[in-house]
Amino acid sequence: QKEVEQNSGPLSVPEGAIASLNCTYSDRGSQSFFWYRQYSGKSPELIMFIYSNGDKEDGRFTAQLNKASQYVSLLIRDSQPSDSATYLCAVYKDGNNRKLIWGLGTSLAVNP
Amino acid sequence: DVKVTQSSRYLVKRTGEKVFLECVQDMDHENMFWYRQDPGLGLRLIYFSYDVKMKEKGDIPEGYSVSREKKERFSLILESASTNQTSMYLCASLLRAAWPANYGYTFGSGTRLTVV
Repeated sequence: QKEVEQNSGPLSVPEGAIASLNCTYSDRGSQSFFWYRQYSGKSPELIMFIYSNGDKEDGRFTAQLNKASQYVSLLIRDSQPSDSATYLCAVYKDGNNRKLIWGLGTSLAVNP
Repeated sequence: DVKVTQSSRYLVKRTGEKVFLECVQDMDHENMFWYRQDPGLGLRLIYFSYDVKMKEKGDIPEGYSVSREKKERFSLILESASTNQTSMYLCASLLRAAWPANYGYTFGSGTRLTVV
């Protein structure tokens, strides 16, 4: 079992819809959770960080964390073609010297 | 804004050559990381450093070494390049005092290395 799992996709949604990206993790000691966006040929950029159970909203993005069920999700409201990218989930456990454990990413395509 | 600069965007080297990939950050970050990224394999940690002259192996250190003589610079060295080291190489840094706040890792723009 991989430590951080994501559906590889591609996830295809029409413009204006809600895109829902999911990530599960295996280590119950994980404390902090990150979502990065990576455009093709570019480097990852941080879009959301969450460490408390519940929802965290930033503009069109909402991160949801459920530690009991060991999953974290990213919702993108009013999806735009410019949101088409690979979304990487990363997990951190205290004591790991600030090394992140990465998922393989989910490819999202937003169709005009 | 923090800037992480990788010296080359594209690099072509021959098998057996010694290859140096340079990474420089301008915000006094303590931790620096070298990753490679391959389709289907995701981001894999090669080495990281948490202070000058300090280094730790990541998940795939074989065939690589690193150097951190100054805080702002972290170099990845391919001792004898091989074709299976053809990949995208990404450098990242972070400020320990801000961890795990909203800053996460800051990545460089990457070096696409091709070994022929």
